[in-house]
Amino acid sequence: ETGVTQSPTHLIKTRGQQVTLRCSSQSGHNTVSWYQQALGQGPQFIFQYYREEENGRGNFPPRFSGLQFPNYSSELNVNALELDDSALYLCASSVNREFGYTFGSGTRLTVV
Amino acid sequence: DQQVKQNSPSLSVQEGRISILNCDYTNSMFDYFLWYKKYPAEGPTFLISISSIKDKNEDGRFTVFLNKSAKHLSLHIVPSQPGDSAVYFCAAKAGGGNKLTFGTGTQLKVEL
Repeated sequence: ETGVTQSPTHLIKTRGQQVTLRCSSQSGHNTVSWYQQALGQGPQFIFQYYREEENGRGNFPPRFSGLQFPNYSSELNVNALELDDSALYLCASSVNREFGYTFGSGTRLTVV
Repeated sequence: DQQVKQNSPSLSVQEGRISILNCDYTNSMFDYFLWYKKYPAEGPTFLISISSIKDKNEDGRFTVFLNKSAKHLSLHIVPSQPGDSAVYFCAAKAGGGNKLTFGTGTQLKVEL
């Protein structure tokens, strides 16, 4: 049974650019959530996808958007990158929106 | 507005002794609480959880206590082992909600 995998592991982008982060959910999991973890902080909920539909959103602007595909993998897109977007982005999958989330190792995004 | 607080950024304990990590919350709608452990360069790993209808849950060396009137929970690790050295996050969930609200974490160091 494979866990949650995220790619890339590290990324450096310039302010104003766009970025796409990818997540493959654990086998059998149909729900994917994305979290942002800034340095010294706990993870902050961005949004959740269940069966390809957005199913809840945290306090993040519309330039943060996502997709979930039929195989339950997911993408997080961030447009017009700002310096404060520098963080570790974590993807978590679960079965049927339950809270037994399995987290990936994250993508470390640096905006310069 | 930090709804889940971990006021101790770090804790140092000797091997074999008890580690007690504390967490306070302000949102009375939270009814499910979780503890995650995080090693560097890895995603958070689920440790133990507790529903608001209980005041204690035990799993091996890990016990979580919940005091609803004080809006306080704690994680006890007995006996502590060097492999327990990690950052511990407290997280909470409200009703049928789909997001976890995390604290800022406590760095536990178990010394030989």
